[in-house]
Amino acid sequence: GAGVSQSPSNKVTEKGKDVELRCDPISGHTALYWYRQRLGQGLEFLIYFQGNSAPDKSGLPSDRFSAERTGESVSTLTIQRTQQEDSAVYLCASSRPPSGLQETQYFGPGTRLLVL
Amino acid sequence: QKEVEQDPGPLSVPEGAIVSLNCTYSNSAFQYFMWYRQYSRKGPELLMYTYSSGNKEDGRFTAQVDKSSKYISLFIRDSQPSDSATYLCAMKGDSWGKLQFGAGTQVVVTP
Repeated sequence: GAGVSQSPSNKVTEKGKDVELRCDPISGHTALYWYRQRLGQGLEFLIYFQGNSAPDKSGLPSDRFSAERTGESVSTLTIQRTQQEDSAVYLCASSRPPSGLQETQYFGPGTRLLVL
Repeated sequence: QKEVEQDPGPLSVPEGAIVSLNCTYSNSAFQYFMWYRQYSRKGPELLMYTYSSGNKEDGRFTAQVDKSSKYISLFIRDSQPSDSATYLCAMKGDSWGKLQFGAGTQVVVTP
């Protein structure tokens, strides 16, 4: 079946420009997460959407970062006035309500962002 | 100090050897522990999921959690070149929610 898809797969932008990254979760998955992975590092949580609840924005590094989700479908992560330190792979994951004690987050392939 | 510590490696082993990976953590609220495998330029995929302390085995993979020591391990038996990847430990306090990841250990299995 279809997994989590992300677009674009690669994005090169100039410092100061705005970028939009898109995530299409697995159909029926109510939760959606954004993570950031800098080169050679683990994943860093950014934001979490769960159904119609208010999103958990506690991981957003600055007010230049924002994200939206339409219902239980597509999400867009927007980075305004990009900086070189924003260069990273941005990963999206989705999940459905835990089965027993297990919630499995399924990851997309990521968007590789390079800010020149 | 990071909440989750993981040696980045690289860890190089010959084919057929046992791969031993581990993470330590500082947050005693963590109850759910996972290992993800990430191939180059791909998203992470879940390998093992463990709740609380104990062992879990799945084929060639064994995950161990020792909450008293705040230490988790992953063992890969009879390693294959296709096991060459980065292995990330991840954990969380609630059954549903954000994951805290280690930095990942790069594993290279040589034929």
